[in-house]
Amino acid sequence: AQTVTQSQPEMSVQEAETVTLSCTYDTSESNYYLFWYKQPPSRQMILVIRQEAYKQQNATENRFSVNFQKAAKSFSLKISDSQLGDTAMYFCAFMKPLLYSGAGSYQLTFGKGTKLSVIP
Amino acid sequence: DSGVTQTPKHLITATGQRVTLRCSPRSGDLSVYWYQQSLDQGLQFLIQYYNGEERAKGNILERFSAQQFPDLHSELNLSSLELGDSALYFCASSVGTSGGVQETQYFGPGTRLLVL
Repeated sequence: AQTVTQSQPEMSVQEAETVTLSCTYDTSESNYYLFWYKQPPSRQMILVIRQEAYKQQNATENRFSVNFQKAAKSFSLKISDSQLGDTAMYFCAFMKPLLYSGAGSYQLTFGKGTKLSVIP
Repeated sequence: DSGVTQTPKHLITATGQRVTLRCSPRSGDLSVYWYQQSLDQGLQFLIQYYNGEERAKGNILERFSAQQFPDLHSELNLSSLELGDSALYFCASSVGTSGGVQETQYFGPGTRLLVL
């Protein structure tokens, strides 16, 4: 079974600074996908960024980027120019497709989360 | 707004009771996933339906069941409720047919269940 570990339960960062959230995972698969989801105080789960394991290039979405190290099974999230609205729980998630004829199952395995506070 | 809707937003009930949570996926999505978020267990996958058929099961209790209807909305039924079933229940949807990163899941706002 896959496991996802987020070793930083809580972090804080000054507004406009850069912060990196860590995530490691354990799998024997070669084809998989990785995601970061954000959960603000509203409790909504919001997709931040995604990465395909077969792509060497790190994904980027505006102020959010990842450092994907496949051999080390590491998938960290970097938030640049932190804003107050970035205050949230951040979950790293692993998806290994289980293929059946016609369609697959793409269930997510989540880490425990990192609570990020952006300080004015 | 993810396009996934869930009702009700909040539900308060008593131990031993039965409740039904409802989810409507994004337009065009065939797969629906249910997740439970609790303080002690974190976010856990419960069950997936694809185009009306059960596709995968996770850590779902026997007291819980789900189904997906022809219009693709899904319902999660929780029966003989216990205090420990208090949690946030999320529904997520994805395309279901294309594979790969296109199977990114988009989450609904969740239903907060409190069992007293």
